Amino acid sequence: DIQMTQSPSSLSASVGDRVTITCRASQSISTYLNWYQLKLGKAPKLLIYTASSLQSGVPSRFSGSGSGTDFTLTINNLQPEDFAAYYCQQSYSTPRTFGQGTRVEIK
Amino acid sequence: EEQLVESGGGLVQPGGSLRLSCAASGISFSSYWMTWVRQAPGKGLEWVASMNQDGSEKQYVDSVKGRFTISRDNAKNTLYLQMNALRGDDTAVYYCARIVGGSHYWLDPWGQGTLVTVSP
Repeated sequence: DIQMTQSPSSLSASVGDRVTITCRASQSISTYLNWYQLKLGKAPKLLIYTASSLQSGVPSRFSGSGSGTDFTLTINNLQPEDFAAYYCQQSYSTPRTFGQGTRVEIK
Repeated sequence: EEQLVESGGGLVQPGGSLRLSCAASGISFSSYWMTWVRQAPGKGLEWVASMNQDGSEKQYVDSVKGRFTISRDNAKNTLYLQMNALRGDDTAVYYCARIVGGSHYWLDPWGQGTLVTVSP
C-alpha cells in the first residue's frame, strides 16, 4: 500500500494568512493526488483533484501543486470558513490511501 | 442539487450486524462507481469499499473483506454497506461518495456521514 504522510498535523493561523500543507507519498504517484476539506458534521468537500485542478465552485485562494512524491496545498488569504481539517488522497493505486490529516486552527 | 444522504448507523454490539444506506439525488447514480469511506474517532480517513455501476466489480480494504458487502439498487438510487461480524475498530463515521474521473479518480460529492458505534 502507498503511505501518505501529511505535515504538519495541525497549525494555527490568522485570517488573512497564507497556509501551506504538505503531502508526501511513499512512492511516485505522478499527479494522482486529491485534496479534501472536512468540517465536523458536514459532508467532506473536494478541493483539488489531480494535484492542481481546482474543483468547480472552490474559491481561487485554494491551490495545489506537485508531482511524483511531493505535493502542496496552499490557502492564500485564509478566511474564517477555511478553519477545518484537510486530507490528501492518492488515486494512483488501490487501496486509495489518505494522509492522516492537517487541522487548521484559529490563532 | 447533487446530494448523498447516509442512514442506518447506530450502536451495535461486537459481532453484530448493521446495514448502511446512501440515498442519492441529482447525480445520475446508475452511471457512476460509488464508494464508502470511514473515519474512526480521532483518526484519519480510510477507504472501505467501492463498486462499479452494475455491481460486477467490487473492491474492499483488507480489514473488512469477508465481513462487509457493498451493493446498490440503481432503481432506488441507493448504495448499501452490509456490515457483519462488527468489531470495535469498525467504530467510525461512514461516508458514501461518488467516484469521478476514471481509473485515477477523485470523490465528489460526499454525504454527511452516519456514525457506527460498536460497543458492548
